[in-house]
Amino acid sequence: VQLEESGGGLVQPGGSLRLSCVASGFPVANSYIFWVRQTPGKGLEWVSVISAAATTTVADSAEGRFTVSRDNSENKVYLQMNSLRSEDTAVYYCVKDSSGWGIFDSWGHGTLVTVSS
Amino acid sequence: EIVMTQSPANLSVSPGERATLSCRASQSVGSNLAWYQQKPGQAPRLLLYGASTRATGIPTRFSGSGSGTEFTLTISSLQSEDFAVYFCQQYNKWPVSTFGQGTKLETK
Repeated sequence: VQLEESGGGLVQPGGSLRLSCVASGFPVANSYIFWVRQTPGKGLEWVSVISAAATTTVADSAEGRFTVSRDNSENKVYLQMNSLRSEDTAVYYCVKDSSGWGIFDSWGHGTLVTVSS
Repeated sequence: EIVMTQSPANLSVSPGERATLSCRASQSVGSNLAWYQQKPGQAPRLLLYGASTRATGIPTRFSGSGSGTEFTLTISSLQSEDFAVYFCQQYNKWPVSTFGQGTKLETK
């Protein structure tokens, strides 16, 4: 099982960014995939999830701004982030929840998103 | 939101000794508690879930206990590779989960 994120970078406040997570060793179509972010100040925070049934949920802090989707043929999960704020600056991890309980058993290496003018 | 509080924030222990890390939840989470280890420049790694079940490949020197609001992670005999930051996470109501701020385990 491997997860690899990409798409991070520097973006101005109010801008957009799309993160990608390519999975190997398992099908994302049958999996629960979370995005979890980490900052020195706020620590670890769950951001969004896409379930095996392709239902999606985002945290209150991202509601109305972030959307999550997946491409089963490419075995990828995406996090579209709009109206970015400085407080969205973080390392974003793609994480697999094999149990469906919220136990994060496999993590990608993370991608850094910096929101700054 | 359930707030997870870890103590101490920093812990200095000599190799070979026992380390005990604590995690407290602001309300009961049953046994829906996981522990993660994070080394510099790396992603967190799952150590324990269900408060006391070791994840695949985790050495037996790592053990967990507790339920409700009080939890403990014990490392029985510290190895050099165990010095890292440890986080607890409650997952009582999927998909919402919250993490503690971490305990940094340092060499004494």
